[in-house]
Amino acid sequence: AQSVSQHNHHVILSEAASLELGCNYSYGGTVNLFWYVQYPGQHLQLLLKYFSGDPLVKGIKGFEAEFIKSKFSFNLRKPSVQWSDTAEYFCAVNSLISGGGADGLTFGKGTHLIIQP
Amino acid sequence: DSGVTQTPKHLITATGQRVTLRCSPRSGDLSVYWYQQSLDQGLQFLIQYYNGEERAKGNILERFSAQQFPDLHSELNLSSLELGDSALYFCASSVEGTGGGQFFGPGTRLTVL
Repeated sequence: AQSVSQHNHHVILSEAASLELGCNYSYGGTVNLFWYVQYPGQHLQLLLKYFSGDPLVKGIKGFEAEFIKSKFSFNLRKPSVQWSDTAEYFCAVNSLISGGGADGLTFGKGTHLIIQP
Repeated sequence: DSGVTQTPKHLITATGQRVTLRCSPRSGDLSVYWYQQSLDQGLQFLIQYYNGEERAKGNILERFSAQQFPDLHSELNLSSLELGDSALYFCASSVEGTGGGQFFGPGTRLTVL
């Protein structure tokens, strides 16, 4: 079974600080990797995804993530955060299933990010 | 707006009752996924349908069932409700095989009293 671990449950930063949120997964096969963001009172929004190819992926709103296969990690980064980045961030994985397509997402517990003006 | 719609937004009911949550996927998406988000369990995958057929199962209770109709909308049926079923229920959709990721709806907040 897959599992996802997010290292930090709560992170507080000042505006313009750099951000790195850790994510490790456990699974023996090929996985797809995702970061989702949930702004207060809103639904989950896809930030970025990795399926194959360049391990450094760029997403929306200036976020990027690096897949390090040897470390089973997919950390999220942003060089300079803004107050509007205050939200809950979820790392997620799924895997390919026979017959095509991918199965449901396994999510980490989430990281609550607060950006102070 | 992700293009995935869910109704109702809020649902308040009593223990022992049965409710139905509805989801319409993005135009062109054949796969529908259901998730439960609660404070103690976090986000959990319940079940997936692809073009009308069940494709994958997660941590779905036997009291819960789902189906996907020919027009691709899906319904999640929750029966014999318990207090612990109170949660946000999300639906997501994706286009199979493209690796495009899953797009989530706004959710239905279920409160069981």
